[in-house]
Amino acid sequence: RKEVEQDPGPFNVPEGATVAFNCTYSNSASQSFFWYRQDCRKEPKLLMSVYSSGNEDGRFTAQLNRASQYISLLIRDSKLSDSATYLCVVMLNNAGNMLTFGGGTRLMVKP
Amino acid sequence: DAGVTQSPTHLIKTRGQQVTLRCSPKSGHDTVSWYQQALGQGPQFIFQYYEEEERQRGNFPDRFSGHQFPNYSSELNVNALLLGDSALYLCASSLRLAGYEQYFGPGTRLTVT
Repeated sequence: RKEVEQDPGPFNVPEGATVAFNCTYSNSASQSFFWYRQDCRKEPKLLMSVYSSGNEDGRFTAQLNRASQYISLLIRDSKLSDSATYLCVVMLNNAGNMLTFGGGTRLMVKP
Repeated sequence: DAGVTQSPTHLIKTRGQQVTLRCSPKSGHDTVSWYQQALGQGPQFIFQYYEEEERQRGNFPDRFSGHQFPNYSSELNVNALLLGDSALYLCASSLRLAGYEQYFGPGTRLTVT
């Protein structure tokens, strides 16, 4: 079983749609959680951190459910520029900031 | 303020050869981590360097080795290249005492033929 699992997609959605991605992680000792965005043939970039209380950044909302070891990302009012691969990432804080990535979920927003 | 830089951008090698990839961290950062990203997959942690020592290592064979220099820059060396080593190699830098945020460089795309 992979440490971080994501549906690879692709998710094909029209502009303006709301789309949600889910992710599960296997190590219950994981302490920090993130969503990264990766454009084609580019490096990953931090999109947002994920907190137990949930957090929002503009059109993006992230949620963490520690009991179920589940992380989600919601994108409202999708833009063409949101097309990318979204990587779910977890970190064990006692492991020197080593990041464990999921395989990524590909999103394609169509006009 | 320069971000993370990596060289070379692309590289083609033959099976059995050796390769060295280079990384300069973001200004002010002291920790460098290396990741391997195969096509269609998420990045996988190789190892991390801090104070010129390897601090953490992922599930990679000894053919993968590294080094960190006093100026915090780092090298990744891969010996006896295999076809399966073809991937995007990403370097990420961070400030150890400042929390988790890691900044990635643009990567080196290695093709082994």
